[in-house]
Amino acid sequence: QKEVEQDPGPLSVPEGAIVSLNCTYSNSAFQYFMWYRQYSRKGPELLMYTYSSGNKEDGRFTAQVDKSSKYISLFIRDSQPSDSATYLCAMSTNYNQGGKLIFGQGTELSVKP
Amino acid sequence: DGGITQSPKYLFRKEGQNVTLSCEQNLNHDAMYWYRQDPGQGLRLIYYSQIVNDFQKGDIAEGYSVSREKKESFPLTVTSAQKNPTAFYLCASRDRVNIQYFGAGTRLSVL
Repeated sequence: QKEVEQDPGPLSVPEGAIVSLNCTYSNSAFQYFMWYRQYSRKGPELLMYTYSSGNKEDGRFTAQVDKSSKYISLFIRDSQPSDSATYLCAMSTNYNQGGKLIFGQGTELSVKP
Repeated sequence: DGGITQSPKYLFRKEGQNVTLSCEQNLNHDAMYWYRQDPGQGLRLIYYSQIVNDFQKGDIAEGYSVSREKKESFPLTVTSAQKNPTAFYLCASRDRVNIQYFGAGTRLSVL
């Protein structure tokens, strides 16, 4: 079993839809949770960052962390064609343990006009 | 502009050849990382360095080597021992709140 599981998709939605992306994990020591967006043939860019549990909102994006269920989510409201990309969840344990990130395999999202 | 610069953008390797991928950062970060990305897969850690003159193997270090002589630079060499080198290679550096920032990547192919 992988430490981090992410549905690879692909996921196709119409413009304006609400998108839900999810990851589950097995290591209860994870404390840092991130979502990266990666456009085709580009490096990943940080979208959302959460330390420990809770929700975080930034514009059309909301990240949720449920440590009791070992489950994180990213919601995209009013999705736009420019949101079409691969979304990677990533998480790590204590900063002092090398800060190694464990990535999900990524979900490919396509938003159709 | 602060960031991570990777070069070249595209690289071709011949059989039996070693090739070196460059990674430079001007973010003043201590820790740097190399990842490999294959189609439809997430990122897998090759090597990382938390401080100058020190580095550790990641999950898939076989066939790769690194050096960290300067804080700003963390080059990756793909040796001839790496039998399946075709992939997208990403370099990153980490800040004080554990966020990693990535370069634009180098796409390596075999001739």
